[in-house]
Amino acid sequence: DTAVSQTPKYLVTQMGNDKSIKCEQNLGHDTMYWYKQDSKKFLKIMFSYNNKELIINETVPNRFSPKSPDKAHLNLHINSLELGDSAVYFCASSQSAGGREFFGPGTRLTVL
Amino acid sequence: QKEVEQNSGPLSVPEGAIASLNCTYSDRGSQSFFWYRQYSGKSPELIMFIYSNGDKEDGRFTAQLNKASQYVSLLIRDSQPSDSATYLCAVTSGGSNYKLTFGKGTLLTVNP
Repeated sequence: DTAVSQTPKYLVTQMGNDKSIKCEQNLGHDTMYWYKQDSKKFLKIMFSYNNKELIINETVPNRFSPKSPDKAHLNLHINSLELGDSAVYFCASSQSAGGREFFGPGTRLTVL
Repeated sequence: QKEVEQNSGPLSVPEGAIASLNCTYSDRGSQSFFWYRQYSGKSPELIMFIYSNGDKEDGRFTAQLNKASQYVSLLIRDSQPSDSATYLCAVTSGGSNYKLTFGKGTLLTVNP
C-alpha cells in the first residue's frame, strides 16, 4: 500500500565501501527524485528522472550514480563512501516534472 | 544561485493561536510554491500548494502568495500541539521550472 517505498531504512557502513539504495513508487508517476538531507535538515535535490530519462543532475560527486530501470523504480548507487555522505536520503515522485512531490520514508546512511 | 529563505525559528505559539510562517525566494520566474511539514525523524509531507497570487485556504491552513514581493506564507489557525514540526517552503526554480528548491525550514512549537 505504501506509495513511495525505499530500502533499506537504515544503512551503516565503513568508509570506502560501495552501497545502493532502492526506491519504488506505485502511484503511476512519471518523475522520480533523489534528495539528500544533511544533519542541519537542509533538503537538497541530487537527481531527477522523467520517464527513465535523467533531467536533473545537480553538482554531486560522480561517486553517486542513479539508475532508473523503469518509471516506477529509481536506485542510487554510491561508490567509495566518505564520512560526509552520512545523511538521510529521500526518494520522491510526482505525476510530472515540477508537480507535487510525494516523499518516501527516507534511508538514514551512516558512514563510519 | 536560486535561494529560498525562511526564518529557522524556533517559532513558539500557544495552542489555539495563529502561527505565521514566512518564506522569500529569489527567482522571479518561479511559478509553483509548496509547503511541506516534516515531523522529527519522518519524511516531508505536502500540506499546501499555490500557483497564483492571493490566498488559498484548506481547512486550518492558508497559503498566501505575492509574486511581486517574492513572498509566500503559511498561516495555521487554531494551532494544535500536533502541528509542532518543521515547515519547509519549496519553490520551483530553474529555467524549465521543474526543480524544487527548499528553504531550510522553520521549526514550529505549539505549546498546550
